Amino acid sequence: EPEVTQTPSHQVTQMGQEVILRCVPISNHLYFYWYRQILGQKVEFLVSFYNNEISEKSEIFDDQFSVERPDGSNFTLKIRSTKLEDSAMYFCASSLGWTGQGQPQHFGDGTRLSIL
Amino acid sequence: GNSVTQMEGPVTLSEEAFLTINCTYTATGYPSLFWYVQYPGEGLQLLLKATKADDKGSNKGFEATYRKETTSFHLEKGSVQVSDSAVYFCALPSGSARQLTFGSGTQLTVLP
Repeated sequence: EPEVTQTPSHQVTQMGQEVILRCVPISNHLYFYWYRQILGQKVEFLVSFYNNEISEKSEIFDDQFSVERPDGSNFTLKIRSTKLEDSAMYFCASSLGWTGQGQPQHFGDGTRLSIL
Repeated sequence: GNSVTQMEGPVTLSEEAFLTINCTYTATGYPSLFWYVQYPGEGLQLLLKATKADDKGSNKGFEATYRKETTSFHLEKGSVQVSDSAVYFCALPSGSARQLTFGSGTQLTVLP
């Protein structure tokens, strides 16, 4: 069964550094998402992406964050000038259609980001 | 906006016991509803979904019925196994339906 793959599985970065989290969505999916889960807390939406532009973003997704689909297969999340509170598990997801139309989102295994 | 309230955990059961995890929602209209499962060290996996009122989603022995009268989507399984030990999340679309809002998750531990 096709799956969403994320790399790396664990990223350790010094505070203030930039980090790029990478995702390869399911190949025929058109809609892409990033979520994060701080340890012991809820899964929180960050951003959705369609047709090479952001469709929706949460208040968490401020100017520190950006997303890109650089080459038609990868989907990346960049965090500039990381802070301690950015430490979390970051999940990428993709879907064939919009979730509001009943299309489920399929998630990767996540990247655990640790900021020191 | 749409929201979901999920039964707090953790839940500990013996193997072959009956499982219910409660989920209620607040929403405009009748959105699709989802249950996701997260096994230790893994990502979120879609367990089942229902797209309209009175629909029953089912998978791997788990079931949930979309009940608009009680705005609920409770997860049930008749006989749990040790391998069902995981965290279970109820979810629904929110915002402009371009995101999922998740419940707080319920940790299930099944003892042999």
